[in-house]
Amino acid sequence: AQTVTQSQPEMSVQEAETVTLSCTYDTSESDYYLFWYKQPPSRQMILVIRQEAYKQQNATENRFSVNFQKAAKSFSLKISDSQLGDAAMYFCAYRSVSSNTGKLIFGQGTTLQVKP
Amino acid sequence: NAGVMQNPRHLVRRRGQEARLRCSPMKGHSHVYWYRQLPEEGLKFMVYLQKENIIDESGMPKERFSAEFPKEGPSILRIQQVVRGDSAAYFCASSPTAPLGFSSYEQYFGPGTRLTVT
Repeated sequence: AQTVTQSQPEMSVQEAETVTLSCTYDTSESDYYLFWYKQPPSRQMILVIRQEAYKQQNATENRFSVNFQKAAKSFSLKISDSQLGDAAMYFCAYRSVSSNTGKLIFGQGTTLQVKP
Repeated sequence: NAGVMQNPRHLVRRRGQEARLRCSPMKGHSHVYWYRQLPEEGLKFMVYLQKENIIDESGMPKERFSAEFPKEGPSILRIQQVVRGDSAAYFCASSPTAPLGFSSYEQYFGPGTRLTVT
């Protein structure tokens, strides 16, 4: 069974600085998808960025980028030029390609605090 | 295009009552997922449904929980005889029918229903 681990329960960053959130996962599959979701205090789950495992190039979305290390099974999220609105809980998630279900497997989450 | 809608947003039930949570997927989406989030934890998959079919219910507790997605109307997650441990946020997500392409796998989440059992 696949598992996702986020080892940092809480992180903080100064506004305009850069922060990296860690995520590791365990799987025996070679093809899969990885996601980072943001959950602000409103509790709405917002997709931040996604990565297909077969792509070597790291995904980037504006100030958000990932460092995908397939061999190490690591998928970290880098937030550049942090803004107050980035304060939220961040979840790393895994999705299998081969199974007939689209279920997401989530990590425990990292709460990000942004200091003005 | 309206997003995924869930109602009620907040639901309070006494122990032993039934809880019914509703989810209307995005227009054109025929795949629905239910997840549960306990306090201070990540989301846990419960069930995956397509119209009139349960595809994967591997995350559903064996008793008291059921889900349906009828041909017409919203998807319903039903919890019978609720207990305090059922208190959680329940999220619904939907995805489109497209059989090909990575975009078919993106799940769009609703705002969740917070269930409190007293």
